Amino acid sequence: QKEVEQDPGPLSVPEGAIVSLNCTYSNSAFQYFMWYRQYSRKGPELLMYTYSSGNKEDGRFTAQVDKSSKYISLFIRDSQPSDSATYLCICGGSNYKLTFGKGTLLTVNP
Amino acid sequence: EAGVVQSPRYKIIEKKQPVAFWCNPISGHNTLYWYLQNLGQGPELLIRYENEEAVDDSQLPKDRFSAERLKGVDSTLKIQPAELGDSAVYLCASSPGRLAGGGELFFGEGSRLTVL
Repeated sequence: QKEVEQDPGPLSVPEGAIVSLNCTYSNSAFQYFMWYRQYSRKGPELLMYTYSSGNKEDGRFTAQVDKSSKYISLFIRDSQPSDSATYLCICGGSNYKLTFGKGTLLTVNP
Repeated sequence: EAGVVQSPRYKIIEKKQPVAFWCNPISGHNTLYWYLQNLGQGPELLIRYENEEAVDDSQLPKDRFSAERLKGVDSTLKIQPAELGDSAVYLCASSPGRLAGGGELFFGEGSRLTVL
């Protein structure tokens, strides 16, 4: 079992839909959690960053962490075609190492 | 402020040929990473530098891959000889510190290698 499991999709939704992207992890030592967005043929870029259980909101994006169930989610409200990208969940601990999920390919259709 | 710069963006070579990728991190970032990203997969760490020291190269296939960061700034990743399975995107990233306990990683756009 990989330390971070992410449904690779692909996920295709109509414009305006609410999107839910999810990851599970197995390592209790993970302390912080990130979502990166990667457009086609580009490098990943940081979207959301959370330390603790609970929700963190930034515009149309909400990151949710449930440490008790080792489950992290990213919600996108009012999805736009410009949100079409691969979304990577990343977990980090007290050392420098980051563990990446496989990424979920999202397409938002106009 | 300039981001992480990588070159070349694309490279097509025949198997058994050598190839080199170059990365210039964000100014002031002491930590530099090389990641390998296969199609449909998340990035996998190849090597991490703190300044000019390679502090984690445990995942670097040392029989054919080598890397250097001589002056603690830019870095080169080399493959010699390349194999068909090396076709992938090679991502360079940098961060201000060691990321122990948190921190953002800044990625370049990647170098896409195709081995024929």
